[in-house]
Amino acid sequence: GAGVSQTPSNKVTEKGKYVELRCDPISGHTALYWYRQSLGQGPEFLIYFQGTGAADDSGLPNDRFFAVRPEGSVSTLKIQRTERGDSAVYLCASSWDSGGTDTQYFGPGTRLTVL
Amino acid sequence: KQEVTQIPAALSVPEGENLVLNCSFTDSAIYNLQWFRQDPGKGLTSLLLIQSSQREQTSGRLNASLDKSSGRSTLYIAASQPGDSATYLCAASRNKLIFGAGTRLAVHP
Repeated sequence: GAGVSQTPSNKVTEKGKYVELRCDPISGHTALYWYRQSLGQGPEFLIYFQGTGAADDSGLPNDRFFAVRPEGSVSTLKIQRTERGDSAVYLCASSWDSGGTDTQYFGPGTRLTVL
Repeated sequence: KQEVTQIPAALSVPEGENLVLNCSFTDSAIYNLQWFRQDPGKGLTSLLLIQSSQREQTSGRLNASLDKSSGRSTLYIAASQPGDSATYLCAASRNKLIFGAGTRLAVHP
C-alpha cells in the first residue's frame, strides 16, 4: 500500500473488555513497531518485530498486552481486561529493516477509549 | 536508560521568523536522530533523519544538526509560515525510537 494503515481509527470499549488493534505496514517493510501516545506526550515504545518474531517487547506495560505478526506483514496488538489507563492513541510504524538506520513511517493511529 | 528532552515546550511566533527547536538526549549510543511533525489528531510525518555519523541534514527550509558528544540536536526552521504550525517531535533511535514530549509551534500571520 501507499502507507501504513491502522484499523479501527477509533475504538470505544468498556473496562474489562478485550480489544484488537490492527496494523498494515508498507509493503516490503520487514520491521514493524507499536507505540502508545497519551495526550500531550511523545509516543512511548511498546514492541517491535523483525519479520514474524518480536525482537524487543520491553515496552509492553504488563501481561495484558500482547502482539503478533504471524506472516511477517500485518500485526495485531491485543489488550485483555482493558483498564481506563489504557486509553491512548496507539501508533504503528514500519521500516525497511530494524538496523535502526532507516526512517520509520507512521500510520494515523487508533484512538482507544476505555469507559 | 535513554531520556529525550525538548525545549521549549511551546512557541508562538509571527510569520517570517527563523526558529530553533532544541532536543537533548542522555545516551549518545544512538543509530540516528529523527525529527517528526505531528498535526492535531494525526499521525507522525518524518521530516529529517540524521545518521549517527552525520552532523546535519537539510530539506527545504528545514535544517537539523546533531552533536552526539554533547547529546544535542537542533531543528532550524527558516522563514516560518502559518502552515508550519504543528507539534515537532525528536526521537533518538537505537532500533526503537525514544521520543521527547515535543514542541508545540504556532506561527501567526
